Amino acid sequence: QKEVEQNSGPLSVPEGAIASLNCTYSDRGSQSFFWYRQYSGKSPELIMFIYSNGDKEDGRFTAQLNKASQYVSLLIRDSQPSDSATYLCAVGGQAGTALIFGKGTTLSVSS
Amino acid sequence: NAGVMQNPRHLVRRRGQEARLRCSPMKGHSHVYWYRQLPEEGLKFMVYLQKENIIDESGMPKERFSAEFPKEGPSILRIQQVVRGDSAAYFCASSDTGSGNTEAFFGQGTRLTVV
Repeated sequence: QKEVEQNSGPLSVPEGAIASLNCTYSDRGSQSFFWYRQYSGKSPELIMFIYSNGDKEDGRFTAQLNKASQYVSLLIRDSQPSDSATYLCAVGGQAGTALIFGKGTTLSVSS
Repeated sequence: NAGVMQNPRHLVRRRGQEARLRCSPMKGHSHVYWYRQLPEEGLKFMVYLQKENIIDESGMPKERFSAEFPKEGPSILRIQQVVRGDSAAYFCASSDTGSGNTEAFFGQGTRLTVV
């Protein structure tokens, strides 16, 4: 059974701080890693993806992947109240497989 | 370029009725995934379809649930004889390939309420 684990939170950070969200996965054959943001009552929105070990930066967001440790993280710099949402980690495997999601981490950014 | 379209957005059914949820993928996408989300929980994979084929239905309940993605028209998730426990948000996502390395984009979801 492939599993994706996330700390449910809530993770509370003040405005302007760095928020760090973590995710571990069980399937060593996983090839692709995605972060989705979901506002309450809305659908998931893709914000980052990463395929290779190391860091990938996009604006205020940085995804980090360590396949040896089966660990992926998302850093949000200069956090804003509008970043308050649930962040879902998703992991993809071989061709012909669907993404498997973690339960998500709720982030709360206070102004 | 329209995104993933789901309808209806909200659906109310009495116990024992059938629920039919529709999903039109993004233009150019031929891979469709259905997920169910219960309140305060993550997305649970249900079924993965490509045009006219079910690729993976390992997340589908064995009874009452079925899915199809015909050559023409939207993908349909059908729930027969609904029960209160079927109340949830059902999300559809689509991608242009099923390589496992491709981003999937979500529709707005159908919120099913069984009364």
